[in-house]
Amino acid sequence: GESVGLHLPTLSVQEGDNSIINCAYSNSASDYFIWYKQESGKGPQFIIDIRSNMDKRQGQRVTVLLNKTVKHLSLQIAATQPGDSAVYFCAEGGGNKLTFGTGTQLKVEL
Amino acid sequence: GAGVSQSPSNKVTEKGKDVELRCDPISGHTALYWYRQSLGQGLEFLIYFQGNSAPDKSGLPSDRFSAERTGGSVSTLTIQRTQQEDSAVYLCASSLWGGGATDTQYFGPGTRLTVL
Repeated sequence: GESVGLHLPTLSVQEGDNSIINCAYSNSASDYFIWYKQESGKGPQFIIDIRSNMDKRQGQRVTVLLNKTVKHLSLQIAATQPGDSAVYFCAEGGGNKLTFGTGTQLKVEL
Repeated sequence: GAGVSQSPSNKVTEKGKDVELRCDPISGHTALYWYRQSLGQGLEFLIYFQGNSAPDKSGLPSDRFSAERTGGSVSTLTIQRTQQEDSAVYLCASSLWGGGATDTQYFGPGTRLTVL
């Protein structure tokens, strides 16, 4: 079956630095990609999405980049804060269902 | 309500017992999803309801798992004859119209199921 995978299971960054979380996907038919943030004991929270006809989308302190040539997705968090510590999931969609990656644990060091 | 709610938040049961997990979606949302999240893993799709259409059950791992959605709102996920490998966090999500993956899914806090 199709899979969505993350390059790094854990990412540690200093407070104030920028964070980059990467994701590889394998289903070339996917036309929609989402990043979710999941804090301990909570359900995933939508952060930002991007459609396959775009290669970049910006939100508040976050930017998602999509490289369809190499099937790669990244989430950039500017000026990382302690509150950004969480597990980040990428998900791909094409139809009614989303396929989620395993997740990357982001740790923000003071 | 303001968001998706799930109950109970934690459930401990003995192997072989049946359990019911409840999900209250956001009012007005026509689509409802159930996912399973095992420790350190991503989310595994289980089942999808959209309006009055027949549910997409393609993700249910075995016939011990079933779900229903009454009145197009509240949903119950039932696991019969629970096994230890059923231990996981069960997450429910709802979306406004369920027209596809582009319709943002809002998640509840999940139910942590532990099968002893």
